[in-house]
Amino acid sequence: AQKVTQAQTEISVVEKEDVTLDCVYETRDTTYYLFWYKQPPSGELVFLIRRNSFDEQNEISGRYSWNFQKSTSSFNFTITASQVVDSAVYFCALSSGTASKLTFGTGTRLQVTL
Amino acid sequence: DTEVTQTPKHLVMGMTNKKSLKCEQHMGHRAMYWYKQKAKKPPELMFVYSYEKLSINESVPSRFSPECPNSSLLNLHLHALQPEDSALYLCASSQEEVGLEEKLFFGSGTQLSVL
Repeated sequence: AQKVTQAQTEISVVEKEDVTLDCVYETRDTTYYLFWYKQPPSGELVFLIRRNSFDEQNEISGRYSWNFQKSTSSFNFTITASQVVDSAVYFCALSSGTASKLTFGTGTRLQVTL
Repeated sequence: DTEVTQTPKHLVMGMTNKKSLKCEQHMGHRAMYWYKQKAKKPPELMFVYSYEKLSINESVPSRFSPECPNSSLLNLHLHALQPEDSALYLCASSQEEVGLEEKLFFGSGTQLSVL
């Protein structure tokens, strides 16, 4: 069975603060993919990143960075110098095994205020 | 063009009505998906079409009937819905279905209210 846990339900920060969104996953498969999606108030989920289980390199894309640690089964997401436009619900998701579908976490709602 | 377009954006229907949700993509993707999302919950997979054939039905009640007329279009026909079916219905597409690595492109959804 696969499972994704996002323990933080809601986070509120002031603009320019750094914020880290946690994601812990469970799977028995050795080959799997992890994803982050952003869902702004407009509704559509937007793909942010994909990482496979054999690539533990951290990644940075502008103000976004991701820390993948297999030892702790975590794939955390950090936004540096947050902006109001970052306000959204962020979903971590896992794809593994023979199932051709994503297992989503419950999401973390990020509110960035001025 | 990296858009998935869904219509209508909002829909209110009675329990005896028949309505359809529409989804269109022009990215040449071969897989299309319907997801249901209740408020403050993650999306739940309903159906997957791969190369215009239904490949996954997540035990969805028959009052939801999907249709894939061609590789760019996906419909969801609704009939005799219940108030608990009120939710955001999201369409998505991916280049291929098979493969753990597929990333999904989502539309902005249809907010459905069943009275």
